[in-house]
Amino acid sequence: EVQLVESGGGSVQTGGSLRLSCAASGFTFSNYWMTWVRQAPGKGLQWVAYINQAGTEKYYVDSVEGRFTISRDSAKNSLSLQMNSLRAEDTAVYYCARGGLVRGITHWGQGALVTVSS
Amino acid sequence: QSVLTQPPSVSAAPGQKVTISCSGTSSNIGKNYVSWYQQLPGTAPKFLIYENNQRPSGIPDRFSGSKSGTSATLGITGLQTGDEGDYYCGTWDSSLSAGVFGGGTKLTVL
Repeated sequence: EVQLVESGGGSVQTGGSLRLSCAASGFTFSNYWMTWVRQAPGKGLQWVAYINQAGTEKYYVDSVEGRFTISRDSAKNSLSLQMNSLRAEDTAVYYCARGGLVRGITHWGQGALVTVSS
Repeated sequence: QSVLTQPPSVSAAPGQKVTISCSGTSSNIGKNYVSWYQQLPGTAPKFLIYENNQRPSGIPDRFSGSKSGTSATLGITGLQTGDEGDYYCGTWDSSLSAGVFGGGTKLTVL
């Protein structure tokens, strides 16, 4: 069974940093593109970042480019999102997901809440 | 303001059929596959449709997808109260080099 478990969420002040992690199991992690998607309270889904199997191709939504970094460790079956210079508008539930919007996001984690406040 | 446009809400009676539209441009829907996601209240999104009209295993054939030009449509027949929730379309935008979602459509089964 595919499982994606996020960790590292929490509250942080504006301008601060946070690192989200996602532990993947139940599939061959190194074979799949991986994605982060977020959902602000009461709002819709927003695609955030996408990384290829080897970690050599990375794409970001404009609003996080230069502040967020997606990475992966295939030896640990782990996906990460380093978030710096956080803003209030980054407040959201962040979902780790397998696949991407090119062919479809097949599996989602339960989400990790990130709250940014002054 | 989402790149893909969906109606904010749709409703229908149990047992009836509903369609949800998703409108884009030549750089996203016009060029790439569309997928659809269901998000029931308080839960993570669930994969419903991929490559415009394919159902993952376990998704009932009450759910269908289609695409024409720069628009896509999700159809749900035999509506059940358990189908109530939010539905999102998504695709890749080749001009933005980014994934994009629609704003979501809230389905109410009256």
